[in-house]
Amino acid sequence: DTAVSQTPKYLVTQMGNDKSIKCEQNLGHDTMYWYKQDSKKFLKIMFSYNNKELIINETVPNRFSPKSPDKAHLNLHINSLELGDSAVYFCASSKGGNIGRLQETQYFGPGTRLLVL
Amino acid sequence: KQEVTQIPAALSVPEGENLVLNCSFTDSAIYNLQWFRQDPGKGLTSLLLIQSSQREQTSGRLNASLDKSSGRSTLYIAASQPGDSATYLCAFERDSSYKLIFGSGTRLLVRP
Repeated sequence: DTAVSQTPKYLVTQMGNDKSIKCEQNLGHDTMYWYKQDSKKFLKIMFSYNNKELIINETVPNRFSPKSPDKAHLNLHINSLELGDSAVYFCASSKGGNIGRLQETQYFGPGTRLLVL
Repeated sequence: KQEVTQIPAALSVPEGENLVLNCSFTDSAIYNLQWFRQDPGKGLTSLLLIQSSQREQTSGRLNASLDKSSGRSTLYIAASQPGDSATYLCAFERDSSYKLIFGSGTRLLVRP
């Protein structure tokens, strides 16, 4: 069973379009994340939600809007796509909460490869 | 300014060699440090997590150390195998912020 799943796996689209990427985790975790991995392979956090509440919001253009309908899902909607948005987007989840936080790791999805033409 | 630096960027070794991957970080306020493995076209898999109060963790042929005072962590891989070929990423969480800050990784190739 897939722990953290993302759809679609590949996304090719034209500049200016609006697209969404979906993420689901079946681990019962409270915290979910979106990361962007650029062409130089740097992974950078974009957003994090804990129990459907936004807890991390890095300096990301407001064209990017995360939505968490429930704590098992964190979707990423991108408006007016630009060439520079081309990257691999990873969703991740972790247990969250305060108990045992020191030993807590994050579980990553397989990534969504976005190419904006 | 890069907060996490990984050296070398790429490494090619013959099967059976012991090897060391290096990670240095600029922030002493780390909550924990983690090593991940990324296979081509796939997500990240957590290998080892070292809490800020610990100095090392071991799992099978892998051993990770942490020296907060010098801002360094190393990942030691014993008796390397071709299946170890992947990109290895280190990341630290700052101040229990839930935010992982990643290095750019070391691409490892273990030749049969």
